[in-house]
Parts: sequence; C-alpha cells; structure tokens
Amino acid sequence: EAQVTQNPRYLITVTGKKLTVTCSQNMNHEYMSWYRQDPGLGLRQIYYSMNVEVTDKGDVPEGYKVSRKEKRNFPLILESPSPNQTSLYFCASSFRRTGTVNEKLFFGSGTQLSVL
Amino acid sequence: GIQVEQSPPDLILQEGANSTLRCNFSDSVNNLQWFHQNPWGQLINLFYIPSGTKQNGRLSATTVATERYSLLYISSSQTTDSGVYFCAVRSGGSNYKLTFGKGTLLTVNP
Repeated sequence: EAQVTQNPRYLITVTGKKLTVTCSQNMNHEYMSWYRQDPGLGLRQIYYSMNVEVTDKGDVPEGYKVSRKEKRNFPLILESPSPNQTSLYFCASSFRRTGTVNEKLFFGSGTQLSVL
Repeated sequence: GIQVEQSPPDLILQEGANSTLRCNFSDSVNNLQWFHQNPWGQLINLFYIPSGTKQNGRLSATTVATERYSLLYISSSQTTDSGVYFCAVRSGGSNYKLTFGKGTLLTVNP
C-alpha cells in the first residue's frame, strides 16, 4: 500500500531533550516536506527536500533540523525542544514538479508533540 | 509571498445539503490542491486542480486560474464530510513551496 509513515503518533517530552520524528514513504517520491499545524495558523512548512542530500528551509525552520540521506526517509530533528514547539507535525511527499497530477501531495498520519 | 484566503471559515449544514467552498489566491499558480482533514486529523488529498474542473463522486472542484480562485463543491453532504478543508497553492518560479490557506471548518449534522 502506498503510504507515508510517521512515527511516533504521540510524543511527550521535556524541554531540551533531543528527539527525532521519523518519516518514510514507499512511493519513490523525490519531494518530501515537514509541516506544523497550530490552531488559527493553519499548516506552515518547516523544511522541504527536493531529492537526496538536497534540503531547504520553509517558513518556520528555527529550532529544527532535517536530513535526507536516503530517498525514502526524511527525519525531523529537534535538538533542544522548547514548549513553543508543541504542535501537530505532518510529513508529506510527492513527485517533483511535473505539471501533472503526479504532483499530488500525500501526508503522513501526523505526530502530536507536547514539550513540557 | 502568495496569499491564500479561504471562505467561509466555518460552515454548518444538515445532512443532504449542498455547499460551496472558496479559495482565493493573490498570484498566478501552477499547482493547486484541495485537502480534507477529518476529525481524527488525517489529511487526504481530494484534488490536484491548477485549472479546469474535476469531479470525484459527490465532490467536484473548479479552478479559474485567470481570475485567481478555486471552488470546491460538496453535494448531498454526509456526516463523514465533516472536517477542515484546505486549499494549497504554488506560484511560478523555482521555489517549490506550497502555501496553505487557513481552511474551512465544515460540520454536517445528521
């Protein structure tokens, strides 16, 4: 089954304790991205990657790191989480710009992160 | 950057009613998508529709790119249609960023 898999689904942590949220897709997509969703602010892009070893900042990259060492994986790293990073996080993937329906974006199930 | 406005922000319907959701954007786009976020938080892609009209069952979408808007039609609504509907757009250029609107919260009552 074609899917984007995020883990964990829920995570509670404390300020300053490094964490990683994993994201994996099995559709051979070049493009992968991370979003955070906050009430009243909608979905905001954190980082995105156009292909292996190619990453770039989105709208709200501060406090986050990413890496793209393999095509299928795009982990999100919070090296020193703070309470303002409490949010619902989504990973997404698609084929790169083709001007066709292949650009449809597919989302993972989300990770609800609470930083105490 | 490109601005995306969705209306209405909230909509309450009785089961069986029809509805139209609107997405306005401030610049020309080469990518426009509609998503449904169900009450459990899952985001499902409904349409990729940078221009023209598409239909999928009770849902259809139309994008008039020259006038910078897109419409999502839901006919004979069901309680399972409840949730938040987002549109997302990307303008021309080398930046591959999709910008999301703030969504329309749809509640369908039985």
